[in-house]
Amino acid sequence: HVHLVESGGGVAQPGGSLTLSCSTSGFSFSYFGMHWVRQAPGKGLEWVALIRSDGSLKYYAESVKGRFTISRDNSKYTLSLQMNSLRGEDTAFYYCVKESPTGAFDSWGRGTLVTVSS
Amino acid sequence: SEVLTQPPSVSVAPGKTASIDCGGDNIGGQSVHWYHQKPGQAPVLVIHSDRDRPSGIPERFSASKSGNTATLTISRVEAGDEADYYCQVWDSSRDHYVFGSGTQVTVL
Repeated sequence: HVHLVESGGGVAQPGGSLTLSCSTSGFSFSYFGMHWVRQAPGKGLEWVALIRSDGSLKYYAESVKGRFTISRDNSKYTLSLQMNSLRGEDTAFYYCVKESPTGAFDSWGRGTLVTVSS
Repeated sequence: SEVLTQPPSVSVAPGKTASIDCGGDNIGGQSVHWYHQKPGQAPVLVIHSDRDRPSGIPERFSASKSGNTATLTISRVEAGDEADYYCQVWDSSRDHYVFGSGTQVTVL
């Protein structure tokens, strides 16, 4: 059974940094693309970033490009999101997501809340 | 860039059929995936690759695509189907995933 557990959320000041982590189990982590998706309270889903299975390719939403960095450690089955220069509009639940071979997002973590506020 | 348009809300009586459209300029050439999200929970994949159901998703959930519109259909709606529903595609022109704006399904 696929298991994704996010950690690292909390309160950060505008301009500050946070690093999110996602611990995974139940599947062959190194074979699958992984994503971060966020959802501001009461709002819709927003795709944030993608990293391919071997870490060779990374893509970012325009809203976070240059500020966020996605990475993975296939030896530790973990996914990370380094978030710098945080803004109020980055306040959201952040979900760690596994990509299926069809490109759909077939497994989601429960999310971790990031609040950017002074 | 791809923008996916969904109706904000759909209301349906128990036992009836609910349909949710997802419109986008380039949907015809992309695989469409659908998710539902119940309050306080993470999203769940209900349809992938335009019309395929993952294991564990009831047959009451089906989907189709015609031109630039994809449609999710929920037959014999139950109270437990109340959720927000999102469509999604991969925008290959920008190497971005895009979610629709979401549709809140209310069971009357």
